[in-house]
Amino acid sequence: EPEVTQTPSHQVTQMGQEVILRCVPISNHLYFYWYRQILGQKVEFLVSFYNNEISEKSEIFDDQFSVERPDGSNFTLKIRSTKLEDSAMYFCASSEGYGNGEQYFGPGTRLTVT
Amino acid sequence: AQTVTQSQPEMSVQEAETVTLSCTYDTSESDYYLFWYKQPPSRQMILVIRQEAYKQQNATENRFSVNFQKAAKSFSLKISDSQLGDAAMYFCAYQEYGNKLVFGAGTILRVKS
Repeated sequence: EPEVTQTPSHQVTQMGQEVILRCVPISNHLYFYWYRQILGQKVEFLVSFYNNEISEKSEIFDDQFSVERPDGSNFTLKIRSTKLEDSAMYFCASSEGYGNGEQYFGPGTRLTVT
Repeated sequence: AQTVTQSQPEMSVQEAETVTLSCTYDTSESDYYLFWYKQPPSRQMILVIRQEAYKQQNATENRFSVNFQKAAKSFSLKISDSQLGDAAMYFCAYQEYGNKLVFGAGTILRVKS
């Protein structure tokens, strides 16, 4: 069964460093999403991406964040200068099409900023 | 903005018994999706069940079923014949077509043997 994959599973970085989180969505999916979950809290939407453009972004997704689909398979989230409060689990998700409803989640990347 | 409320931070159930997790939401839309996701200790997000708002019939998936009350904006999850593997955090989520998921705060389900 097709699945969303994410690498790395765990990333430790120092405050102020740049990190890139990688995701490979399901191959025929067109809509891509990033969510994050601070430990013990609910899952929060960061950004959605369609047709090589950001469709929607939340207040959390400020200028320190960017997303890119550099090739036909990868979908990346870059945090330019990490802060302690960026420590969280980051989930990538993809869906087949608008109105389909179901988003398939990857296993997540745990980001720890020290 | 749409909001999703899960009023039960934690629930317990005896193995083989039935438990119901509550969820309410707020929206002015008439067409949308509702979901229950399970998050075990591995923190993977696993879709349990989904409901399209235009369907009056409640969704079921094996031991999992929902009670969808559109007018009341209520979407509860019933787990029958609870198993130890059902122990997890459960999130209720709302989605307008093609858009982001809005999650509730979650309910921790503990299953006692």
